[in-house]
Amino acid sequence: EAGVAQSPRYKIIEKRQSVAFWCNPISGHATLYWYQQILGQGPKLLIQFQNNGVVDDSQLPKDRFSAERLKGVDSTLKIQPAKLEDSAVYLCASSLGSDTQYFGPGTRLTVL
Amino acid sequence: AQSVTQLGSHVSVSEGALVLLRCNYSSSVPPYLFWYVQYPNQGLQLLLKYTTGATLVKGINGFEAEFKKSETSFHLTKPSAHMSEAAEYLCAVTSDESARQLTFGSGTQLTVLP
Repeated sequence: EAGVAQSPRYKIIEKRQSVAFWCNPISGHATLYWYQQILGQGPKLLIQFQNNGVVDDSQLPKDRFSAERLKGVDSTLKIQPAKLEDSAVYLCASSLGSDTQYFGPGTRLTVL
Repeated sequence: AQSVTQLGSHVSVSEGALVLLRCNYSSSVPPYLFWYVQYPNQGLQLLLKYTTGATLVKGINGFEAEFKKSETSFHLTKPSAHMSEAAEYLCAVTSDESARQLTFGSGTQLTVLP
């Protein structure tokens, strides 16, 4: 069974530029999560999707972050414009509706 | 609201020695508890989880954790550490009432000394 796929694995941009991350969950998993993991901290949930609907985006900085899951399968997370403090690893996870989330390898973003 | 505290951001043990990584949680409802391991430049891998039932949970690679409600703890142990297990270990909590959203601790970096 293929795991959660994410791309790109690494991205370096300058502040005020825009960037997008892609996630393809495990086949059949209805729930998809995006987390932000700043160096030295645990992951923090940004947004949770159930199929193509948003369950919770209360911790998503909506002035600069956006996310979509139009067909209820893969998802894109965008940052525009990026700030220095957005440097982090962005993790995507999916679940079948049970309690276990399966994580992708993450995208490491560096904002200069 | 839920929270997780991992005592000790860095733990060092000798190869073959006991591993003990501490996790305390706060939850107003019955928690589900997880331990994940994160190797450099990789995603999180589930080690073990507690949902209901037996409070001593066995995971992969010989890891165990015991849910102690009275102490609000879920410490991770392994009798004998291997060099290959040097990594970041993350404890997390969720519940039905939180829509199964994971709240993570800040992690413990395990170093295994030869």
